[in-house]
Amino acid sequence: EIVLTQSPGTLSLSPGERATLSCRASQSVSSNFLAWYQQKPGQAPRLLIYGASSRATGVTDRFRGSGSETDFTLTISRLEPEDFAVYFCQQYGSSPVTFGQGTKVEIK
Amino acid sequence: QVQLVQSGADAKKPGASVKVSCKASGFIFTSFGISWVRQAPGQGLEWMGWISGYKGYTNYAQSLQGRVTMTTDTSTSTAYMELRSLTSDDTAVYYCARSFCAGDCSSGRWYFDYWGQGTLVIVSS
Repeated sequence: EIVLTQSPGTLSLSPGERATLSCRASQSVSSNFLAWYQQKPGQAPRLLIYGASSRATGVTDRFRGSGSETDFTLTISRLEPEDFAVYFCQQYGSSPVTFGQGTKVEIK
Repeated sequence: QVQLVQSGADAKKPGASVKVSCKASGFIFTSFGISWVRQAPGQGLEWMGWISGYKGYTNYAQSLQGRVTMTTDTSTSTAYMELRSLTSDDTAVYYCARSFCAGDCSSGRWYFDYWGQGTLVIVSS
C-alpha cells in the first residue's frame, strides 16, 4: 500500500501568514488522485481538495492544492482564525486508500 | 442537504461486538457507497472498508478481514458496521463517509465528500 508522509508535523503560524503543507507518497499516486481534509477538535474531517487541485463545494479559494506523482502541497494563502486545525492528505489512486498522519496548524 | 447521522457512543468489554449505524439523507442512497473510517484517540485516520449502496458489494481493509461486516438497509437509507472480537486497540471514533468514486466504484478509488458526526466506541474491561 502507498504510505503518505506529511510534513511538518506541526506548523506554528500567525493569522494572515501563508501555510505550506507537504504530503509525500511512497510511490506515484495514480492520476493524481489525492485529497486533503481539514479536521477541527471534536469534529469529523471535512473535504477541502480532491484530484490534487480541485476545491470541494463551498471551500474558499484561500486553499490551493498542487503537486503530482509523489509530491503534493496544500497552501493556505492567508490564515484566518478558523483555519487552525489538523490537515490530512489521502490517496485514492491505489487500493487500499491511505491517509497521511496529519499536520497540525497552530496559532503562534 | 446531504446528512449522515450516526448512532450514539457505546462502551464494550473486550471480546464483545459493536454495531454502529449511519442514516443517510439528502441524496440517492443507492447511487453512492459508504466507507467507514476510524480514528483512535489522538491518532490519524484508518480506512476500514466500503459498501456499495446499490447491491451491498463490500471491500474491507485486510487488517480487519474476518472481524468486520458492513451492511445496508436501502429501505431506510442506513448503513451499518459491525466489529467483532473487540480489544482495547479498537477504542476509537468511528466515522461513516459518503464515498465518491473516481472511475470504477469497486476499484477502491474513493474520496470522502460527506462525513457522519462520528461514534465513540470505548473498549474496556
